[in-house]
Amino acid sequence: ETGVTQTPRHLVMGMTNKKSLKCEQHLGHNAMYWYKQSAKKPLELMFVYSLEERVENNSVPSRFSPECPNSSHLFLHLHTLQPEDSALYLCASRPGVGSYNSPLHFGNGTRLTVT
Amino acid sequence: AQKITQTQPGMFVQEKEAVTLDCTYDTSDPSYGLFWYKQPSSGEMIFLIYQGSYDQQNATEGRYSLNFQKARKSANLVISASQLGDSAMYFCAMREATMYSGGGADGLTFGKGTHLIIQP
Repeated sequence: ETGVTQTPRHLVMGMTNKKSLKCEQHLGHNAMYWYKQSAKKPLELMFVYSLEERVENNSVPSRFSPECPNSSHLFLHLHTLQPEDSALYLCASRPGVGSYNSPLHFGNGTRLTVT
Repeated sequence: AQKITQTQPGMFVQEKEAVTLDCTYDTSDPSYGLFWYKQPSSGEMIFLIYQGSYDQQNATEGRYSLNFQKARKSANLVISASQLGDSAMYFCAMREATMYSGGGADGLTFGKGTHLIIQP
């Protein structure tokens, strides 16, 4: 069983809806990440949080709003999305930022469909 | 330019055969780490193996080994004695150390992946 849990597994939303994706990690890690995986494209890093502070935002549109209330939980709030935002959204964690040798631990992802 | 290149979009392999998945990378940083992940149809990204740029020996983890050729900037994944459960997408990824001093990206940079299908 993965140490990183994402809910929901599947989400269908209209372009005017507001929804949130949730990620929880049980690994005691201090860094958490959101990635977007679209068909036939490499994974795209969206946001990085270290000790609940956002340390990176890779030019992500403002219709995606992350929140990290503590080091175990990460949310991605969604509003007025576009059909091209349909993708698999993956959450990941690792012990901390600042070293290049530790892997990311991923959740199962949320499959988002925007209609 | 792509930092991670995986040239095999898809591969079909007979069960029990060895498999080599190609990965080349581009960096001018002397310190970096290379990672391989497996993604089954369920969606989860599963970490398989890690190779550091200064590691003298090729990494091995059970049936997985990494053929690391630093001068060629190549880090191919080798799966020995393939099994039906090895069918999945496989991704090569890299993190460069100078990202920290330069305030750059902390996350991994991924290739486009190889879809491996093991046939009985």
